[in-house]
Amino acid sequence: GNSVTQMEGPVTLSEEAFLTINCTYTATGYPSLFWYVQYPGEGLQLLLKATKADDKGSNKGFEATYRKETTSFHLEKGSVQVSDSAVYFCALIWGTSYGKLTFGQGTILTVHP
Amino acid sequence: DGGITQSPKYLFRKEGQNVTLSCEQNLNHDAMYWYRQDPGQGLRLIYYSQIVNDFQKGDIAEGYSVSREKKESFPLTVTSAQKNPTAFYLCASTDSGTGGFGYTFGSGTRLTVV
Repeated sequence: GNSVTQMEGPVTLSEEAFLTINCTYTATGYPSLFWYVQYPGEGLQLLLKATKADDKGSNKGFEATYRKETTSFHLEKGSVQVSDSAVYFCALIWGTSYGKLTFGQGTILTVHP
Repeated sequence: DGGITQSPKYLFRKEGQNVTLSCEQNLNHDAMYWYRQDPGQGLRLIYYSQIVNDFQKGDIAEGYSVSREKKESFPLTVTSAQKNPTAFYLCASTDSGTGGFGYTFGSGTRLTVV
């Protein structure tokens, strides 16, 4: 079946540091890939998405590129802020899965001033 | 503004009790979902519904039940058969056929067994 694996957390960075959160997936065919963010005590918000190989999703300074050859969708940001502290989830949807998202385990990011 | 409302925000359950979590959406979305979130395990799908009066089990449906009598409502009952119900529960909705791009999540209900 489909699965998503994220790097172990938590990740702790200083403000303005470079961020990478690794995400790899297993799926039959060509899934659509997503990054969601969850701020403390809240639900999930869509951060960015990509629907086909080599697509780059971007939003709020975050980027991720759909790499079919390595089945990866790593999240990056050049300069993190304290306000980026949250839990980040990589997820996929594939084919006729009726919109059911498959999530990775989540990565906690803490950014210190 | 359109959105999803989950209530209550915090819920405490005694051993052996059934409890019902509310999820209401005014987005006119066809599909609704319940996910369970545990630390370090991501979100796991409990139940989902594509249309009124129809729903399917997700990956961890044992000990849970749902109903979909109205398009805007998808309540989740955590029964006494669920042995480890303490978790954060998230409801979501989407237009069918959007491929997940139109997912909207509620703000969640934290259930604790006391």
